[in-house]
Amino acid sequence: GQQLNQSPQSMFIQEGEDVSMNCTSSSIFNTWLWYKQEPGEGPVLLIALYKAGELTSNGRLTAQFGITRKDSFLNISASIPSDVGIYFCAGHGRAQGGSEKLVFGKGTKLTVNP
Amino acid sequence: DGGITQSPKYLFRKEGQNVTLSCEQNLNHDAMYWYRQDPGQGLRLIYYSQIVNDFQKGDIAEGYSVSREKKESFPLTVTSAQKNPTAFYLCASSDRGAWDGYTFGSGTRLTVV
Repeated sequence: GQQLNQSPQSMFIQEGEDVSMNCTSSSIFNTWLWYKQEPGEGPVLLIALYKAGELTSNGRLTAQFGITRKDSFLNISASIPSDVGIYFCAGHGRAQGGSEKLVFGKGTKLTVNP
Repeated sequence: DGGITQSPKYLFRKEGQNVTLSCEQNLNHDAMYWYRQDPGQGLRLIYYSQIVNDFQKGDIAEGYSVSREKKESFPLTVTSAQKNPTAFYLCASSDRGAWDGYTFGSGTRLTVV
């Protein structure tokens, strides 16, 4: 089945640093999504990207839909302690059999040291 | 406010007992999903349902069962056949096309002792 390769697996940074993470796929996706999961909670949607080449910002977060439709990145600028959590990328595209499920990366665990 | 509710937040069960996790949504979403999350494993799909009275197995369905008798509800039963049931379980829902992604519940942490 479709798989997403998300990297890095984990990051340990100092408060104020910028963060970058990315996802790549061997398959084309029509939509890329980025979620954040805080400890003990469900993932929450941060940014949705619908068009190849699209660059979208949400506060200190910026995400891009790769021009090949096989990759996406998420940047966080000037990190703060509340950025701690697991960040998941997800791709949406018609899978085998017509099922329209999201495909998730394995997550990037972010730790921010004050 | 519309949302998706999972209950209970924490659940403890003895080994060999079946247990049912509740998931209710009032978003009028057609599709609902169950995921299992273990440390370092990401999200693994257990079952999903795209319409009432229909559901399909995900990647790790063995030892689990579901029902979808109402649009709003998609309960998950963890049976005694599940070899390692202790995990964090997440329920999600979406419009059938899922173009806006999934809305997740806040999860249920199941501990089997």
